Amino acid sequence: DGGITQSPKYLFRKEGQNVTLSCEQNLNHDAMYWYRQDPGQGLRLIYYSQIVNDFQKGDIAEGYSVSREKKESFPLTVTSAQKNPTAFYLCASMWGAKDNEQFFGPGTRLTVL
Amino acid sequence: GDSVTQMEGPVTLSEEAFLTINCTYTATGYPSLFWYVQYPGEGLQLLLKATKADDKGSNKGFEATYRKETTSFHLEKGSVQVSDSAVYFCALSPNNRKLIWGLGTSLAVNP
Repeated sequence: DGGITQSPKYLFRKEGQNVTLSCEQNLNHDAMYWYRQDPGQGLRLIYYSQIVNDFQKGDIAEGYSVSREKKESFPLTVTSAQKNPTAFYLCASMWGAKDNEQFFGPGTRLTVL
Repeated sequence: GDSVTQMEGPVTLSEEAFLTINCTYTATGYPSLFWYVQYPGEGLQLLLKATKADDKGSNKGFEATYRKETTSFHLEKGSVQVSDSAVYFCALSPNNRKLIWGLGTSLAVNP
């Protein structure tokens, strides 16, 4: 079955540690996205990539980094510079033009202790 | 800039009640419009979409019509079920691959 996988579902880290969230898709989509979701704030775009080896900052990129070495993979690193990293992180992918939908993974809930 | 405004929740209804969740937008050009649904602890799923003015998107009993004259895309369902309890997001896609999101509206349906 085609889809997007995110792992792990729940992640706990100590303050000051970097952590990498995995996102893999087998939909052959060019574009991939990382969102952060906090209660009452909807979805905020962290980074997105429209093609391999290229990515752009979203609205809240500070304290995060990404890479796009393969079409199917778009890992997100939450660095120690991110002041409030505890949140629900969603990865999405999309093919083609603006009329198409974004497909979402199940999300990773990160808790920094 | 482009933006989406949704009615604030939470919305609480009894089973079989009529649902309306308002969504208005500001955008230049001719964006596509979407409704997504998020069940507790899960990612988002596309519920319906409309790509041009006067289009009606529909799915699972939900409907929304792209009204350019009122810049609206209100979500409606004639008879809600307990299983419809979720958070609903309105979004627009301008002439690029980024989506502009509303803040979401939480719906709780009681038996």
